[in-house]
Amino acid sequence: GQSLEQPSEVTAVEGAIVQINCTYQTSGFYGLSWYQQHDGGAPTFLSYNALDGLEETGRFSSFLSRSDSYGYLLLQELQMKDSASYFCAVGGQNFVFGPGTRLSVLP
Amino acid sequence: DTGVSQDPRHKITKRGQNVTFRCDPISEHNRLYWYRQTLGQGPEFLTYFQNEAQLEKSRLLSDRFSAERPKGSFSTLEIQRTEQGDSAMYLCASSLARTYEQYFGPGTRLTVT
Repeated sequence: GQSLEQPSEVTAVEGAIVQINCTYQTSGFYGLSWYQQHDGGAPTFLSYNALDGLEETGRFSSFLSRSDSYGYLLLQELQMKDSASYFCAVGGQNFVFGPGTRLSVLP
Repeated sequence: DTGVSQDPRHKITKRGQNVTFRCDPISEHNRLYWYRQTLGQGPEFLTYFQNEAQLEKSRLLSDRFSAERPKGSFSTLEIQRTEQGDSAMYLCASSLARTYEQYFGPGTRLTVT
């Protein structure tokens, strides 16, 4: 089976840096994805890591350690619009999403 | 904008009725996924297609659920004999093969009364 764990909630202030962790247990691991979902909206793709290391895309970065079955999403220079739920997901023949981390950005 | 579209956006039905949802993926995408999401949870994988072939179906999916993608373009998801536990947002996503970047539609919110 496949399972993922994420913190349920994270709170930070505008301009800060926040890290959202994800640990996974899976067979046939292909890579770790991250998605953002605003309330009432659909998930939108943020990043994908197939190999160990850090991937940077603007203010967002994602890290993967396959040996530790662990990854994280790093959000820098937080803005109010970053308040949303963030999901990690493992890919393979199908996709398994984590339970999500609700990020609240305070002024 | 030629993103993923879903129809209807909302559906209210009585327990025991059948419902069918439609998804139109991004035209050049050959993979199509169906998910179910309840409040406060992550999307739960239901099934996926590559072109017209249904390659994977969640073992959590009961026999009341069936999906088709007859010509490798749009897809339908049917739920027979709906139950109150089927109330959820049903999300469709599409992607190119060999990539993991999925584009999600706006979803169909099902309420079973």
